[in-house]
Amino acid sequence: DAKTTQPPSMDCAEGRAANLPCNHSTISGNEYVYWYRQIHSQGPQYIIHGLKNNETNEMASLIITEDRKSSTLILPHATLRDTAVYYCIVRVASGTYKYIFGTGTRLKVLA
Amino acid sequence: GAVVSQHPSRVICKSGTSVKIECRSLDFQATTMFWYRQFPKQSLMLMATSNEGSKATYEQGVEKDKFLINHASLTLSTLTVTSAHPEDSSFYICSAKGRSPEGYTFGSGTRLTVV
Repeated sequence: DAKTTQPPSMDCAEGRAANLPCNHSTISGNEYVYWYRQIHSQGPQYIIHGLKNNETNEMASLIITEDRKSSTLILPHATLRDTAVYYCIVRVASGTYKYIFGTGTRLKVLA
Repeated sequence: GAVVSQHPSRVICKSGTSVKIECRSLDFQATTMFWYRQFPKQSLMLMATSNEGSKATYEQGVEKDKFLINHASLTLSTLTVTSAHPEDSSFYICSAKGRSPEGYTFGSGTRLTVV
C-alpha cells in the first residue's frame, strides 16, 4: 500500500471549513483514497473514499488532484464534535488488503 | 451498515494473567479481521490479520505466542493477551470488511490496563 503524509495538527474555527491535506505521491492506479477519523478513545470511523473523481457525502467532501498524488478532505462547517485525528489511507478497494495507518492529522476545532 | 462489536470496552488485569478480547461482526460475515494496537498519542499499529479457519498472520515484531488469535467462525475473532505485563497496556482495536464499499468497519476498541 502507498504511504501517505499528513500534517500532524491543524486548528479550525467552529463554523468554518476545515481543509485537511494528504499526500500520496506513490499511489497506484487501482488504489482508492480513504479517510477515517478517530475521536478520543474510540475506534476509527469511516468518512469518505474516492478513486479519482471528487466525492461528497453528508459528512464531507473529498477533492483528489488530477494526478492523484494528493487529496484534501473538506469538512464544510466544522463543529466542536469534529475534533479528532483524521487518517488518510490508500489501498485497493477489492479484496481484504490490510490498512496501514500513518500518523494522521489532529484537528482541533476551536469555539 | 456493517457493525463490529468489540468486548470488553475496558479491562484491568493483574500482571501475569491472560485477557481475552472479542470482536464480532453483527450483521455480516467476515472471513478476515484485523487487530490493531494503539499507544497514547500514537497511530494504530497493525498487529495481525485474522483469517477464519486458518492461522493468523502476524506483523513483524509481534509475538504470536503472546497475542493468540482465534477466528473460529465467520462472525467472531478473539485476541488473547497471554501472561500480560504492564507494557501490554494499550488500546486494542479490531476491524472487518463488510459488503459495503466503505472499506473496513472498526470496533469501538478495548482499553487494557495491566497492573
